[in-house]
Amino acid sequence: QSALTQPPSASGSPGQSVTISCTGTSSDVGNYNYVSWYQQHPGKAPKLMIHDVTKRPSGVPDRFSGSKSGNTASLTVSGLQADDEADYYCASYSGGNDFAVIFGGGTKLTVL
Amino acid sequence: QVQLQQWGAGLVRPSETLSLTCILSGGSFNDYHWSWIRQSPGKGLLWIGEVTYDGNTNYSPSLRSRVTMSVDTSKNQFSLRLTSVTAADTAIYYCAAFDKGAYHFDLWGQGTLVTVSS
Repeated sequence: QSALTQPPSASGSPGQSVTISCTGTSSDVGNYNYVSWYQQHPGKAPKLMIHDVTKRPSGVPDRFSGSKSGNTASLTVSGLQADDEADYYCASYSGGNDFAVIFGGGTKLTVL
Repeated sequence: QVQLQQWGAGLVRPSETLSLTCILSGGSFNDYHWSWIRQSPGKGLLWIGEVTYDGNTNYSPSLRSRVTMSVDTSKNQFSLRLTSVTAADTAIYYCAAFDKGAYHFDLWGQGTLVTVSS
């Protein structure tokens, strides 16, 4: 299984919206609604931000939203704040012969 | 408060075995599958595998030949062993709780930096 494809970087000014894409295949993102997104600040463990494509865990601001179309999932961060600056990783369940979870390569979000 | 705490050797010699353990506190051990994920320096996340509360396992194909995961339900602990390590195995290793119904990682340990060097 290959890693999911994310852009290496994204940026936006405070208050703006930014969308990060995550492209997989019909064996993972395209076939299952089990896409999740994680935020990682430097030196910290990842934190779950979105699961099941669109669902937010308790405590995650509604400025974070997820969607999916075909083999590509997206994370949108609205009303950008300084603390949103972090690395973001997508992940998907991958079925087939072997159970697996595949991550994207990560996107560095910079708040200008 | 539900949390995962992990520990293990931070320095492992080439060709030897990496061993890490993670303990769950404040939660039910049967509610999740227990996973290990690693992050090489400056790189992304790699799923290593998972072990269920009753000992069933799934491993990443790329590491399967060298990985063993186990659980000790009496202590709410689970462990990772990676044999025949090389410098390429140098990474931060995270334990994580995998939601078995919705396929995501709800909770993460603090991470352990493991360096493979002589």
